[in-house]
Amino acid sequence: EDQVTQSPEALRLQEGESSSLNCSYTVSGLRGLFWYRQDPGKGPEFLFTLYSAGEEKEKERLKATLTKKESFLHITAPKPEDSATYLCAVQVDGGYNKLIFGAGTRLAVHP
Amino acid sequence: DVKVTQSLRYLVKRTGEKVFLECVQDMDHENMFWYRQDPGLGLRLIYFSYDVKMKEKGDIPEGYSVSREKKERFSLILESASTNQTSMYLCASSSRDREYEQYFGPGTRLTVT
Repeated sequence: EDQVTQSPEALRLQEGESSSLNCSYTVSGLRGLFWYRQDPGKGPEFLFTLYSAGEEKEKERLKATLTKKESFLHITAPKPEDSATYLCAVQVDGGYNKLIFGAGTRLAVHP
Repeated sequence: DVKVTQSLRYLVKRTGEKVFLECVQDMDHENMFWYRQDPGLGLRLIYFSYDVKMKEKGDIPEGYSVSREKKERFSLILESASTNQTSMYLCASSSRDREYEQYFGPGTRLTVT
């Protein structure tokens, strides 16, 4: 069964304290991996798409990387406004239009 | 900017009542989706549609139906609401050429008592 697991469930950082969020996946065939950010009371907002192992994408303080088994979302020198839930999703072979989401990591960055 | 609108942010219904949730997108996207989001379970796909009048079951379609009569609107229907359908319902849309970049609405928090 295709599965996506995110860790940790929650992470508390001090402003400026860099860290990484993990998304591990067990799927029959990966077509793409996606990172979303979700603020309280809002729908998820698309961040990155990764298609192949070794690929990296960056946006401001965020960098997403992909291996054959997992993806990392690295947060460099985070600020309080980076506080949100970060969701990982995969699209699998034969899964037309369908994304499988992980449960998310709740990130809190304190000043 | 893509805008996906879910006009109801909060809704309270009683067991057995019919529930109608509507989603409207303004970017001429072909694909539209309905998810529910529950703590610890993430987002789970209920139904999706890749064209007007077309629909496909997602992972958890039981107890739900959908309607897409116009390209910009996708409705989720709970014919007889039950307490286990208390959840956050999220609508999303995407274009055919960038189908995995889904744009989400703000969600409707449904409580069934």
